[in-house]
Amino acid sequence: DVKVTQSSRYLVKRTGEKVFLECVQDMDHENMFWYRQDPGLGLRLIYFSYDVKMKEKGDIPEGYSVSREKKERFSLILESASTNQTSMYLCASSFQGTGELFFGEGSRLTVL
Amino acid sequence: GESVGLHLPTLSVQEGDNSIINCAYSNSASDYFIWYKQESGKGPQFIIDIRSNMDKRQGQRVTVLLNKTVKHLSLQIAATQPGDSAVYFCAENKNGNQFYFGTGTSLTVIP
Repeated sequence: DVKVTQSSRYLVKRTGEKVFLECVQDMDHENMFWYRQDPGLGLRLIYFSYDVKMKEKGDIPEGYSVSREKKERFSLILESASTNQTSMYLCASSFQGTGELFFGEGSRLTVL
Repeated sequence: GESVGLHLPTLSVQEGDNSIINCAYSNSASDYFIWYKQESGKGPQFIIDIRSNMDKRQGQRVTVLLNKTVKHLSLQIAATQPGDSAVYFCAENKNGNQFYFGTGTSLTVIP
């Protein structure tokens, strides 16, 4: 079975802190994605990556950055967390071209 | 921008009845669609997909219908069970690797 693992299920951070969210997949997928999920807004794409060291902005990249140094790992970075970044963050991966996204269990971030 | 919306944010059905969850999309160039199920505290899970060259696809107890004329997608769940209670999302794909998700419909199954 495909497994997408997010390092933290729950985090509480203070405004201005730097936050790292880690995601690892074990199926050799080329594509990896970071979404945030908010009530009434569905899933919104923050960043995605087609390959190692490649990244593309999604719909809401402001305030975020990403890193993909290895094929299996995709990190989401909040350089200076703000309260409006309190959300559920979902990582996903897929093979190039097949489309189907496999999701992790999510990381719920609260910024105080 | 893309718009993938759902007609109803919540749906309640009696156990054993059939459920129909609807989704409208705005981009006629979208060529691949997926329905996801998200249970409480979990990430979304793939249910069924359909490509734009089809108008119907069946899985186990689930059927997806695609009407490209009116840009409408529906998910039908036969003999709904308590384990089907979840939030259901439709997602559209128009450029290979990016998906746009709807806001979700919360399905509650009444025993």
